[in-house]
Amino acid sequence: KNEVEQSPQNLTAQEGEFITINCSYSVGISALHWLQQHPGGGIVSLFMLSSGKKKHGRLIATINIQEKHSSLHITASHPRDSAVYICAVEPNNNDMRFGAGTRLTVKP
Amino acid sequence: DAGVIQSPRHEVTEMGQEVTLRCKPISGHDYLFWYRQTMMRGLELLIYFNNNVPIDDSGMPEDRFSAKMPNASFSTLKIQPSEPRDSAVYFCASSFVEETQYFGPGTRLLVL
Repeated sequence: KNEVEQSPQNLTAQEGEFITINCSYSVGISALHWLQQHPGGGIVSLFMLSSGKKKHGRLIATINIQEKHSSLHITASHPRDSAVYICAVEPNNNDMRFGAGTRLTVKP
Repeated sequence: DAGVIQSPRHEVTEMGQEVTLRCKPISGHDYLFWYRQTMMRGLELLIYFNNNVPIDDSGMPEDRFSAKMPNASFSTLKIQPSEPRDSAVYFCASSFVEETQYFGPGTRLLVL
């Protein structure tokens, strides 16, 4: 079983919809990252969090350390949000682990 | 700042050849990371440096891979000899202390 599980694997939404991507992990961590990879391949780090919630524009990331779960929310989704979203965790005393990614397509 | 700079952006080589990938981190950042991304395995952390010192290289696949950081503004990832299974996109990222990582555009490597 992968240490980092993301769901869904693929997500198609209509412009304007509220989107949630989930990440569950099975190890103790010191931090969790949400990354965005655009169709061209470039990677942007969206959030790094170790507790609570962070907000940046239309993006919100939450983490529940006790439940080993994080969510990435996108409000008022737009076609330019179409990308692969990757969850990555920093296990205590170990290498970073990555989820397989969620491919989001937002249709106009 | 220009962001993290990687070169070359694309590399096509033949099996057995030496490949050198280069990375210039953002000025002032003290952490540098090398990642590999393939369809089969997704993103993997290969090695990271703090203040030019390799901290964890347990992700380096085998002895054919080596990474150096001779100074704060330059790092290399070398594969010698290269094999077709090394074909991947290699990303470099840098950060200040242990905060948000900034990724370079990646080097797309194809080993024939």
